[in-house]
Amino acid sequence: AQKITQTQPGMFVQEKEAVTLDCTYDTSDQSYGLFWYKQPSSGEMIFLIYQGSYDEQNATEGRYSLNFQKARKSANLVISASQLGDSAMYFCAIRIPTTGNQFYFGTGTSLTVIP
Amino acid sequence: DAGITQSPRYKITETGRQVTLMCHQTWSHSYMFWYRQDLGHGLRLIYYSAAADITDKGEVPDGYVVSRSKTENFPLTLESATRSQTSVYFCASSESGLSYGYTFGSGTRLTVV
Repeated sequence: AQKITQTQPGMFVQEKEAVTLDCTYDTSDQSYGLFWYKQPSSGEMIFLIYQGSYDEQNATEGRYSLNFQKARKSANLVISASQLGDSAMYFCAIRIPTTGNQFYFGTGTSLTVIP
Repeated sequence: DAGITQSPRYKITETGRQVTLMCHQTWSHSYMFWYRQDLGHGLRLIYYSAAADITDKGEVPDGYVVSRSKTENFPLTLESATRSQTSVYFCASSESGLSYGYTFGSGTRLTVV
């Protein structure tokens, strides 16, 4: 079974501090892609970052980085220097080509940035 | 405009009525998907399509019907709406390939009364 687990329903972080959002996954496939999406209160889904299962380096995109630990099957999102605009829901997702290229999403983490 | 468009943005319907949610993409992406988003469940896949005339069930297909006669359109029909189908529905498209992310539509908020 393919599964994504996000164990933090809600998180708070002080403005300008860094925060880590946890994501673990469960798949027996060797080839897969890991994604993080942001959903602000307006409702749209915004792509943040991608990590391939064969990538040896952790992915980075601006203030976002992905702490990829393959052996532990974890793909945590790190947001550095948090801003008020980072307050949103964050979803981790896995894409597995052998299952029709569909994404499996976690239940999300609600992040609130405190001024 | 290039992108993926969902319509309507908001819909209120009565129990038992048929309702169709529209999804149109302009990128000619091969894959299209329908998800529903409910609090505590994240996004759950209803149906997906790998190409025109090829569709397959996702995690929660019961009560829904899809079709894809053209690459760019992927409508979702609720045959007889129930209150449990009150949700936010997202359409997404993607190319095949591991590194391709989804492009999401803006979502349709459906309320069944």
